Amino acid sequence: GEDVEQSLFLSVREGDSSVINCTYTDSSSTYLYWYKQEPGAGLQLLTYIFSNMDMKQDQRLTVLLNKKDKHLSLRIADTQTGDSAIYFCAPGGFKTIFGAGTRLFVKA
Amino acid sequence: NAGVTQTPKFQVLKTGQSMTLQCAQDMNHNSMYWYRQDPGMGLRLIYYSASEGTTDKGEVPNGYNVSRLNKREFSLRLESAAPSQTSVYFCASIRAAEDRNYGYTFGSGTRLTVV
Repeated sequence: GEDVEQSLFLSVREGDSSVINCTYTDSSSTYLYWYKQEPGAGLQLLTYIFSNMDMKQDQRLTVLLNKKDKHLSLRIADTQTGDSAIYFCAPGGFKTIFGAGTRLFVKA
Repeated sequence: NAGVTQTPKFQVLKTGQSMTLQCAQDMNHNSMYWYRQDPGMGLRLIYYSASEGTTDKGEVPNGYNVSRLNKREFSLRLESAAPSQTSVYFCASIRAAEDRNYGYTFGSGTRLTVV
């Protein structure tokens, strides 16, 4: 079946940039999503990129898509302690597949 | 507030007991989904309902049944709970399966422990 892989943990210092990477196998995805999950809560849509784009910028967030390598990344500029959460890569299809999530730790 | 509401938030069951997890959305969404979240495994799709009146199996349907009661409500039933079903269960909805630029709206989850 389709698969999505992410690193499980990332630790950064407050003010630094965070880069969360994801590789996937389903090349048919039209939209590729990033979701954020805070402790004890459900997932919230953070941003997405359309499959015909290479890059999307949304305030502190930059999404890069390399369709050839099936690689998606999320960059968070000026990372804050409030960004500590689990981030899920989710190439969207009729039945969206989720990665295991990357737990971001932000050290003050 | 508009969104996806799941009940209960927490539940402890004994092995062999049955229960139904409830999910309701008030956004007039057509498609609804049940996922389970286990540590290190991300979210796995249990069942989904593309539209009212239809349900289909996802990746891990064994041990579960679903009912799309109406457009708003999509319930998940465990007929005979097993410890392997200890997990956090999320319900999600989307306006239409093809309307994916908005992504899913998730409920806050049901934390189920089977002892």
